[in-house]
Amino acid sequence: DTAVSQTPKYLVTQMGNDKSIKCEQNLGHDTMYWYKQDSKKFLKIMFSYNNKELIINETVPNRFSPKSPDKAHLNLHINSLELGDSAVYFCASSQAETLGYNEQFFGPGTRLTVL
Amino acid sequence: DQQVKQNSPSLSVQEGRISILNCDYTNSMFDYFLWYKKYPAEGPTFLISISSIKDKNEDGRFTVFLNKSAKHLSLHIVPSQPGDSAVYFCAASARGRDDKIIFGKGTRLHILP
Repeated sequence: DTAVSQTPKYLVTQMGNDKSIKCEQNLGHDTMYWYKQDSKKFLKIMFSYNNKELIINETVPNRFSPKSPDKAHLNLHINSLELGDSAVYFCASSQAETLGYNEQFFGPGTRLTVL
Repeated sequence: DQQVKQNSPSLSVQEGRISILNCDYTNSMFDYFLWYKKYPAEGPTFLISISSIKDKNEDGRFTVFLNKSAKHLSLHIVPSQPGDSAVYFCAASARGRDDKIIFGKGTRLHILP
C-alpha cells in the first residue's frame, strides 16, 4: 500500500490552462505539505496544512490554491498556468505537533510541463 | 539566500569504501537536521536525523555528525553499497509551530563497482 500517493504522475498542458494535482496519505498523519522542485533542483515548501488548517503559506502566486477536504487529502489547484510553473511537485505528510521535528513522508512527485 | 548548502553536486565512491556527504548551514536557529535519500522518479525518503543537543547519531551503516560551532554536518555511509547510489538531501529546521524544513540542493552519490 502506497503511503503518500499523488495523481497524476505526469501532467503536460498548455499555458493558460487550469489544472489540479491530488494527494492522499493513508498514514493517519495530521499535517500535509506541497513542495516544488524546480529546474535548479531546489526542493522548496509551498504550503502546509495541519488538520485542514493552513499553517505555512510561502510566497507563491495566488494562482496556486491548496484545498484540504479532510486531513488525508491535500490537493493543489493551479490557475492560468505559466511556463515557469514547470517543475516536479511533491506532496508530503507528517505527524507532529512541532512541524520540523518528525520525518516527512513524500509522495512520488508529479512532473508538470507547461508548453 | 541558501540557508542549507550542499556544495558538492556529485560524489563518486568505490563500493565498500566510506562515503562522506557534507552540508553547511547559515541559520543559527536551526536545531534539528535531517538527511533524505532520493531515487529517480521517486519522492525523497527519510534516512537519519540529529538534534542539536547531540553531535553524533548512528543508524546501521549511516552516521550523521554535527559540528554546531562550524555550522556543519556530514553523513557517513560505511561500507558503501551499490543501492546507496542516489541523491542525498540535507535539511534543517528550527523550533516552532510554523517553522519549516529547509532543504539543500542535494548531492548525487555514485557508488562505483
